[in-house]
This record gives sequence, C-alpha cells and structure tokens, in this order.
Amino acid sequence: GENVEQHPSTLSVQEGDSAVIKCTYSDSASNYFPWYKQELGKGPQLIIDIRSNVGEKKDQRIAVTLNKTAKHFSLHITETQPEDSAVYFCAASIEYSSASKIIFGSGTRLSIRP
Amino acid sequence: DVKVTQSSRYLVKRTGEKVFLECVQDMDHENMFWYRQDPGLGLRLIYFSYDVKMKEKGDIPEGYSVSREKKERFSLILESASTNQTSMYLCAGSGSLTYNEQFFGPGTRLTVL
Repeated sequence: GENVEQHPSTLSVQEGDSAVIKCTYSDSASNYFPWYKQELGKGPQLIIDIRSNVGEKKDQRIAVTLNKTAKHFSLHITETQPEDSAVYFCAASIEYSSASKIIFGSGTRLSIRP
Repeated sequence: DVKVTQSSRYLVKRTGEKVFLECVQDMDHENMFWYRQDPGLGLRLIYFSYDVKMKEKGDIPEGYSVSREKKERFSLILESASTNQTSMYLCAGSGSLTYNEQFFGPGTRLTVL
C-alpha cells in the first residue's frame, strides 16, 4: 500500500522568511496530493492540492511542487507570518478510487519566530 | 458553511469501558472517516464508510468498530477501552467518490486510565 514520509517533523523560521516541507510517496499510482493545515484545537483543513498532471501550483504565498519521477512533492510558504504557525500534513491518494482513501504523512510543526 | 461536529472535545474513560464517539456532518456527504492522531505518526485511518450501513476497515481497525445508521452520523465504538487507545480522534466527511477533499471535525481527545 501507499506510504508517505514527511520531513522535517519540526521547523522554526523567522517571520518573513520562507518555509519548505518535503514529502515522498511510494505508490506510483497515486495521482492526488493535498496539503492540510491544522491549527491549535482544530481539525486539519485543506489549504492546497496538486494533481499528477501538474508540476507546480501556487495560491498567493503558498505553492506546491510535484516530481512524479522521484515521487516527491513539497510545500513552499513565502513571506511567513505568525498565522502560518500550525501543523502541516501532506497526503497522497488515488483520485477516483473508491471512497477516496487518503494516506497522510506524519506532520510538520511549523513555528514562526517574531 | 460546511460543518462536522464531534460529540465531545475531551473524554476520560477507564480501562475496559465501552466508549462511543459520535460524529455528525451537515454536508450530505456520502463518505465519512475516523482517524486517530498521535505525535510522530500523523493521521491513521481506523474505519471509513461510503454509504449508510456500509463500512470498510482502514489501516488500524483492531479494537474498534463503527456504526452508520444514518447518512449524517458516523459512530466510533471502543468495545473495551485500553490505555493504548489514548489518543486524539478525528472524524471527517467527503463528497462524491471523485472528490477527495475531506472536512474534519475538531477532534475528541480521549484518555483511557
């Protein structure tokens, strides 16, 4: 089955700097890669996703890149702000498969230093 | 605004007790999921359901069961709680089989003494 590895487990960056979180996956059939953000006391929330027919996607200060050959994908946050502090999860799934089962990475706790 | 609610934010139970965790969604979504979240392990799927009265085992179903009698409600049952089931439990819902975004509830922090 699919296995998703995520690094680093914790990340601390100065406000205004960039943050990068990296993930690898094992199942070459996976074609949908969402990123979730979990703020303190809340459930995870989808912030951006990418499909395997696309190499990069941007949404304001966040961007995701996907390298299908190497089976890795990354989340990039630029001009970090205090509200970016949270736990981030990458995930992989096979879109259009039954019940949309998603395999999550182990999470990265991002802290933004003022 | 879509919403997934969980019956309790915090629960403390004793070893051997039967525990019910309830989840309700107002999105009319077919799919519902139960995960447990542990530090360093991410979110691990316990059970999921893609229709009323249907259920499928996830990656770590041992020690758990589920019930889905109505579309909007998905219950997780710990038949005989054990200390290694102390965890954060997250419920989620998602739409049609071709749409992968999952909407999560706020979680239930369960402590088994």
